[in-house]
Amino acid sequence: DGGITQSPKYLFRKEGQNVTLSCEQNLNHDAMYWYRQDPGQGLRLIYYSQIVNDFQKGDIAEGYSVSREKKESFPLTVTSAQKNPTAFYLCASSSGAGEFETQYFGPGTRLLVL
Amino acid sequence: AQSVTQLDSHVSVSEGTPVLLRCNYSSSYSPSLFWYVQHPNKGLQLLLKYTSAATLVKGINGFEAEFKKSETSFHLTKPSAHMSDAAEYFCVVSVLNTNAGKSTFGDGTTLTVKP
Repeated sequence: DGGITQSPKYLFRKEGQNVTLSCEQNLNHDAMYWYRQDPGQGLRLIYYSQIVNDFQKGDIAEGYSVSREKKESFPLTVTSAQKNPTAFYLCASSSGAGEFETQYFGPGTRLLVL
Repeated sequence: AQSVTQLDSHVSVSEGTPVLLRCNYSSSYSPSLFWYVQHPNKGLQLLLKYTSAATLVKGINGFEAEFKKSETSFHLTKPSAHMSDAAEYFCVVSVLNTNAGKSTFGDGTTLTVKP
């Protein structure tokens, strides 16, 4: 089955610790995205990548880092600089181009701070 | 610049009655518009999208939406609600001819379906 997988489903972070969220897709999509979702709010863009070895900051990139070494993978690291990391993190990838670009989402990772 | 406003944060309907979730948008260019549904602790699932073809768009699970340029609206409707429709719904606007990643999400509407 084609799709987007995120792991783990739940992740706990200790004070001062960096943690990495995994996102893998087998849809052969070029573009991938990371969003953060807080209760009662829409999604906010953290980082996105349109092609391998290239990525751009979104609206709330501070305290986060990404890499895009393979087309299928776009891991997100939540660093100790992110002071309020508790949220639901969603990864997406997109097909098409221009007006037909549609984003497809993974199941999400919930990050909690101990 | 673009923005999207979901006019109701919560909507409650009885099973078998119509559903209306309202979305207004603003955009400097011709937009692509989407509706997604999110069940608790799950990712977002695409319901339907508008991409400058027919203004009445049919989606999955009996949902449809009508693009009205004069009203800058893209309201989501369903003739008869089912208990399984209870979820969070997001309206999304993307602008053509811009860099990828420029999708703007509404704050969401929580749909409750009463038996």
